[in-house]
Amino acid sequence: DADVTQTPRNRITKTGKRIMLECSQTKGHDRMYWYRQDPGLGLRLIYYSFDVKDINKGEISDGYSVSRQAQAKFSLSLESAIPNQTALYFCATSVGGNTEAFFGQGTRLTVV
Amino acid sequence: TQLLEQSPQFLSIQEGENLTVYCNSSSVFSSLQWYRQEPGEGPVLLVTVVTGGEVKKLKRLTFQFGDARKDSSLHITAAQPGDTGLYLCAGESNYKLTFGKGTLLTVNP
Repeated sequence: DADVTQTPRNRITKTGKRIMLECSQTKGHDRMYWYRQDPGLGLRLIYYSFDVKDINKGEISDGYSVSRQAQAKFSLSLESAIPNQTALYFCATSVGGNTEAFFGQGTRLTVV
Repeated sequence: TQLLEQSPQFLSIQEGENLTVYCNSSSVFSSLQWYRQEPGEGPVLLVTVVTGGEVKKLKRLTFQFGDARKDSSLHITAAQPGDTGLYLCAGESNYKLTFGKGTLLTVNP
């Protein structure tokens, strides 16, 4: 079983719909991150959380929100999806004091 | 905003050839990490370099961190088809990572 699990793996949704991407981890790490990956743009940080009570905006947080329901769970929401949010989304974890990241397998989101 | 410039963006070579990928920035990083990503998967950490001038070897892969901790390189000796993938560098500052745009390497048999 994967240490960092993302659901769903693929999703097609319509413009204006609300959608939630979920991430759970069994690594016991306190830090969790959401990135999006676009061709030619690399990985960009959306939100990050250093513990359950800590939520921080990343480089591209507009149009997104997150919830850290427990140490092991970190979800990403698109309140009203738009086509330019079509991308590959990755959740990652790291242990406190060490930024080496462990990634999930990704969620491919298409907004039509 | 800190930027990491990776070059080249694409690289297609024959099996057995050597190659070098570069990662450059105007910013100083506490550490620099290299990841490899295969299609349909998340990036996987290859190595972390921390000290200016540090060199680390992982089988046929050699990683170097610049003396000023602003740049890094990845050298692959005698590339094999199994080395094919997207190579990403990431600089760490304030416990956050800034990623380069990646180098897509194809090694042809």
